[in-house]
Amino acid sequence: AQSVTQPDIHITVSEGASLELRCNYSYGATPYLFWYVQSPGQGLQLLLKYFSGDTLVQGIKGFEAEFKRSQSSFNLRKPSVHWSDAAEYFCAVGLSGTYKYIFGTGTRLKVLA
Amino acid sequence: DTAVSQTPKYLVTQMGNDKSIKCEQNLGHDTMYWYKQDSKKFLKIMFSYNNKELIINETVPNRFSPKSPDKAHLNLHINSLELGDSAVYFCASSQDVVGVEGYTFGSGTRLTVV
Repeated sequence: AQSVTQPDIHITVSEGASLELRCNYSYGATPYLFWYVQSPGQGLQLLLKYFSGDTLVQGIKGFEAEFKRSQSSFNLRKPSVHWSDAAEYFCAVGLSGTYKYIFGTGTRLKVLA
Repeated sequence: DTAVSQTPKYLVTQMGNDKSIKCEQNLGHDTMYWYKQDSKKFLKIMFSYNNKELIINETVPNRFSPKSPDKAHLNLHINSLELGDSAVYFCASSQDVVGVEGYTFGSGTRLTVV
C-alpha cells in the first residue's frame, strides 16, 4: 500500500543552524510531492512542490527540497533556520490517477534562540 | 481577502447534536476538500468535490454529509455528534482535481464534542 513516512517526530535546532527534514514514500510510480508547513492554530501552507523536471526545487521562506528517485525520498532543507520557522512540517504525496494525497504524520520543529 | 475561509473557527457542542461547518474559496479553484486532523496531527481526507460533483468519499460515517451548492462553497454537516468526532476539520481547494499545483487550506475549525 502507498505510504508516506516522516521518521522524525520532533527535531530541535539552534537558530542559524541548517535543517533537513526527511520524507520517504512508498509508491510504484513517481508521485507528485509536496511539503507543507503548519503554524500553531493555522491551516497548512504550501512550501514547495515537485512533479517533474529538476529534482532540486526551491520554495518559499528559503526552503528547498530534493527528489531522489533511487531512495524514494523528498527531503526538505534550509541552510539557516530562523526562530519563526518553528512549526509542524508535513510531507505529502499525490497519487497520480487517484486524485488523492497521502500526508505524512508530520515533524515538529523547535528552534532554540 | 482570505483565499479559503471556514466558519466557525471553534465549535463546542454536546453529544447527539447536529452541526454544520461552512467553507468558501475565492480562488476560482474547481476542487474542494474536507480533511480531518486528529489530536496526533494526522491528516485524513474525508471528501472532495470537483465542480460540485463528489469525487472522493472516504470511509466516513454517514452522519457526515458534505454539500457543494457551487464550486466556491463546500459545507459539512454532521448529525448525532459523538465524542470521537472531536478534531480539527480543514477545508482546502485546488485548481483542478489532480491537485498537482498543491492545495490551499483554510485555517481550520476546531470541533469539541462534550
